[in-house]
Amino acid sequence: EVQLVESGGGLVQPGGSLRLSCVPSSFAVINDWMSWVRQAPGKGLEWVANMNRDGSEIHYMDSVKGRFTMSRDNAKKSVYLEMNSLRAEDTAVYYCVRDSNYFYNNGWYRKFDPWGQGTLVTVSS
Amino acid sequence: ATQLTQSPSSLSASEGDRVTITCRASQGIRNELGWYQQKPGKAPKLLIHAASTLQSGVPSRFSGSGFGTDFTLTISSLQPEDSATYYCLQDYTYPLTFGGGTKVEIK
Repeated sequence: EVQLVESGGGLVQPGGSLRLSCVPSSFAVINDWMSWVRQAPGKGLEWVANMNRDGSEIHYMDSVKGRFTMSRDNAKKSVYLEMNSLRAEDTAVYYCVRDSNYFYNNGWYRKFDPWGQGTLVTVSS
Repeated sequence: ATQLTQSPSSLSASEGDRVTITCRASQGIRNELGWYQQKPGKAPKLLIHAASTLQSGVPSRFSGSGFGTDFTLTISSLQPEDSATYYCLQDYTYPLTFGGGTKVEIK
């Protein structure tokens, strides 16, 4: 069973920075798109960013553009989310998830599977 | 951004009931939509992708349908372990967006 393990969460003051890491248990997982999804306490899911296999294509949600940077190191089998200028509204559990992109019946589709267990980021003074 | 509106936001049903959750997109998204189940304190789990394709290992009582702007997730015979919150996700256009969620409780 493929697993994803996130780390790097914690308590940080507004304006501060954190770097999240995600390490898959299977090398094959890293040969795919990867996404970060977050969930504020008691709230719904929110897609944050994703990246293609070689890191040449990255997409972000509007509210994190210019503040968050997603990257990957395929040699280390790791994916990262560098978060700067953190705000209280960034407080959430952050999930790393394999974002499988596949072609079927004349269309491109995505599957978010598997998911990591999540790491909590708390932005507070 | 493409907005996804789920309804109802919560429901309570009895074991064995047929349950339907709807997800409406603010613009046409073909069939580029998935459904996810999340239990309290756990990571979400993929149920259905491409609107109607059941993910391997997911019980056949779950099914999905729809194209364009209107989608449904159906649980044909509700089981106690189906108590969870369900989310739709569109992957047609960036930013990818989730619906607000539907909390399903067992009476």
